[in-house]
Amino acid sequence: NAGVTQTPKFQVLKTGQSMTLQCAQDMNHNSMYWYRQDPGMGLRLIYYSASEGTTDKGEVPNGYNVSRLNKREFSLRLESAAPSQTSVYFCASTHRAPGELFFGEGSRLTVL
Amino acid sequence: AQTVTQSQPEMSVQEAETVTLSCTYDTSESDYYLFWYKQPPSRQMILVIRQEAYKQQNATENRFSVNFQKAAKSFSLKISDSQLGDAAMYFCAYLNYGGATNKLIFGTGTLLAVQP
Repeated sequence: NAGVTQTPKFQVLKTGQSMTLQCAQDMNHNSMYWYRQDPGMGLRLIYYSASEGTTDKGEVPNGYNVSRLNKREFSLRLESAAPSQTSVYFCASTHRAPGELFFGEGSRLTVL
Repeated sequence: AQTVTQSQPEMSVQEAETVTLSCTYDTSESDYYLFWYKQPPSRQMILVIRQEAYKQQNATENRFSVNFQKAAKSFSLKISDSQLGDAAMYFCAYLNYGGATNKLIFGTGTLLAVQP
């Protein structure tokens, strides 16, 4: 059972570099999400996609862009990484059941 | 805007004992959902239990139960007969009822240690 798969799991960037976090789910879910997790701040929503072809900003979208490539895939791009974007990033998906999100294992990003 | 507060950054419990994790929230809505998610050291978050605000009966899932006090806006998680595998970060979360998207609002988490 693959569920939600994120790549890469670890990444170190220099300030100003760009990168894309990939996420894919094999559960035929309509909605997908990107969260970041920081110590003492819980999880904060960056962007979400309620369905294929739509994306919307969450609580902390600045510095990020997303693409819902198809129903399975939802990528998160950092165009010019900053140290403030050092975090653990989680992708999640869901179908209908309220609040029942299925999460990936996370991607730890360090920006130097 | 809704907020979720977990005032216990860390908790500890002896194996086989009972522990209660606290959560309070703030909302002006009358219909909503509340959740507890578990994040073990492997980092992958999983749903532990869900409570619909319109239901007076507290939700239960095996050794996990909640104490939902709507008027007090309190939603605590009780873990009975604690096991070593219960050691994890626990997040309380809120969701407005009837929204088109599952945009959860999370608390800051409580790290639970289970002592053998």
